[in-house]
Amino acid sequence: EVQLVESGGGLVQPGGSLRLSCAASGFSFSNYWMHWVRQAPEKGLVWVANINSDGRVTQYADSVKGRFTISRDNAEKMLYLQMNSLRDEDTAVYYCARLAGPRDYWGQGTLVTVSS
Amino acid sequence: EIVLTQSPGTLSLSPGERATLSCRASQSIGSSYLAWYHHKPGQAPRLLIYDTFSRATGIPDRFSGSGSGTDFSLTINRLEPEDFAVYYCQLHSGAPQNTFGQGTKLEIK
Repeated sequence: EVQLVESGGGLVQPGGSLRLSCAASGFSFSNYWMHWVRQAPEKGLVWVANINSDGRVTQYADSVKGRFTISRDNAEKMLYLQMNSLRDEDTAVYYCARLAGPRDYWGQGTLVTVSS
Repeated sequence: EIVLTQSPGTLSLSPGERATLSCRASQSIGSSYLAWYHHKPGQAPRLLIYDTFSRATGIPDRFSGSGSGTDFSLTINRLEPEDFAVYYCQLHSGAPQNTFGQGTKLEIK
């Protein structure tokens, strides 16, 4: 069974940093692109970043470029999102996801709250 | 950055009716890049359609995708109660940024 389990969310002050983790199991993690997607309260889904199977290619939404860094450890089957210079508007539930067709998989999400 | 604009914002229909949801890209995209998701509160989003036309695993044939260039559609025939949710289009695998549209809420009339 495929599982994606996020951790690392919490309350952080504006300008602060947080590192999210996602533990993957039940599939060949090193074969897949992986993504972070977020949803702010009462708002829609927003794609944040992705990373290719070997970690050499990363892509970011314009809203987080230069502040967030996605990375992975294929040996440990872990996906990460380092978030720096956090802003109020980064408050959201962050999902780790494998989005390739014909089947997608999502974690349960971890809540990040940026507030003073 | 390619922007996806979905319409309408809210669609009110009754069970048994047909729903047509639209997604317009700010520039032409390949047909391999467009996906559709269904999202209910408290649940993980679920992939419905990828590569514009292909149904995801376990998705019934009531759901179909179409389009090319900048204009894409999701059609849902014979609406069932579980279909009422928010639907998102997305630039899918292979696109430089996997942007989502802002969503269309499908509600019961």
